[in-house]
Amino acid sequence: EVRLVESGGGLVKPGGSLRLSCAASGVTFNNYDMNWVRQAPGKGLEWVSFISSSSRYINYLDSVEGRFTISRDNAKNSIYLQMNSLRAEDTAVYYCVRDFTSITVIWGQGTMVTVSS
Amino acid sequence: DIRMTQSPSSLSASVGDRVTITCRASQDIRNDLGWYQQKPGNAPKRLIYAASNLQSGVPSRFSGSGSGTEFTLTISSLQPEDFATYYCLQHNSFPLTFGGGTKVEIK
Repeated sequence: EVRLVESGGGLVKPGGSLRLSCAASGVTFNNYDMNWVRQAPGKGLEWVSFISSSSRYINYLDSVEGRFTISRDNAKNSIYLQMNSLRAEDTAVYYCVRDFTSITVIWGQGTMVTVSS
Repeated sequence: DIRMTQSPSSLSASVGDRVTITCRASQDIRNDLGWYQQKPGNAPKRLIYAASNLQSGVPSRFSGSGSGTEFTLTISSLQPEDFATYYCLQHNSFPLTFGGGTKVEIK
């Protein structure tokens, strides 16, 4: 079965940090670009970050640039999102997504991040 | 940044109705657009890729059209399982941007 499984979400105070992980199983990982997408409660979808298959190319949403860092470990079939200086407006479900440009797009089930004092 | 303007934001329709949702891009994105369906509590699912190609396993009542700046998702005969929220996504350039969503509700 093809799966992406996110973990690492939780409750954190404003200014705090969290590291999200996304592990791939049953799916070829190394050759694909990966993304993080988030969805605030009751709101629409928002792309957050991109990392190319080799990690050579990385992009961020302006509002997270300098606070979030995306990375991947192809040997572990995993990508990560290090989130620092968290704000209330970062509260959302975070999804990892395999390659929007490919014939098959795969989404994880999401992990909830709540930033609140 | 490319802005994706999706309309309507919501609609009420009956089973069997034909439904059309539109996304307009603020600049030419060729056909670098997908349409996604999301049901409450679930991750989105892509229905259409490259603006007009039906994703494998998606019913043929869904279709997409357009290129450049104007795109349309059509459901030819709405079924009970189609009541959901629909989003377009452009992947032509960063930052990737979604439309605001269209919630399709039962009339």
